[in-house]
Amino acid sequence: ETGVTQSPTHLIKTRGQQVTLRCSSQSGHNTVSWYQQALGQGPQFIFQYYREEENGRGNFPPRFSGLQFPNYSSELNVNALELDDSALYLCASSQGGRNQPQHFGDGTRLSIL
Amino acid sequence: TQLLEQSPQFLSIQEGENLTVYCNSSSVFSSLQWYRQEPGEGPVLLVTVVTGGEVKKLKRLTFQFGDARKDSSLHITAAQPGDTGLYLCAGDRSGGATNKLIFGTGTLLAVQP
Repeated sequence: ETGVTQSPTHLIKTRGQQVTLRCSSQSGHNTVSWYQQALGQGPQFIFQYYREEENGRGNFPPRFSGLQFPNYSSELNVNALELDDSALYLCASSQGGRNQPQHFGDGTRLSIL
Repeated sequence: TQLLEQSPQFLSIQEGENLTVYCNSSSVFSSLQWYRQEPGEGPVLLVTVVTGGEVKKLKRLTFQFGDARKDSSLHITAAQPGDTGLYLCAGDRSGGATNKLIFGTGTLLAVQP
């Protein structure tokens, strides 16, 4: 069974640039959620994708957007990067539905200079 | 507003000691999940509790979900250095097909040999 994989592992960008992060879900999982984890804090929910559509969103501005593909993999796009966007971005996949456990990848560490 | 408060935030103990981590909220959750996260890695699911009052054991770890499904605790018996890490509780408040997790503030545990 292949777990959740994310790429790249590390990324350095400058303010105003755009970034795309990628996630391959665990086999058998149709739902992907993205979280932002600032240093020393718990992850914050960005949004969730189910069957290629956004299925719930946290308190993040529209410059955070995403996609899910027919194979259930997903992308997180962030436009007009700000210094505060520096964080670990985590992807989690699940079978969807209430109380289903979410399985996380190791994240992408994004640094904004 | 942090919906889930964890205590203590930091804990440094000697190998063999017992400890308890608390996860408290004023909100009701349909389920609660506990994760452990090590540096440079994503959170790893330890357990999911669903029923109020439920107790689950995982070797030396005992998890309890409060009767009102608003709080939870994690008790570790005879801690070992391998237990070192960031412990995160996460509550599921979503309905329908969305399982959005609200994470706690985290408890950083260091077990000294």
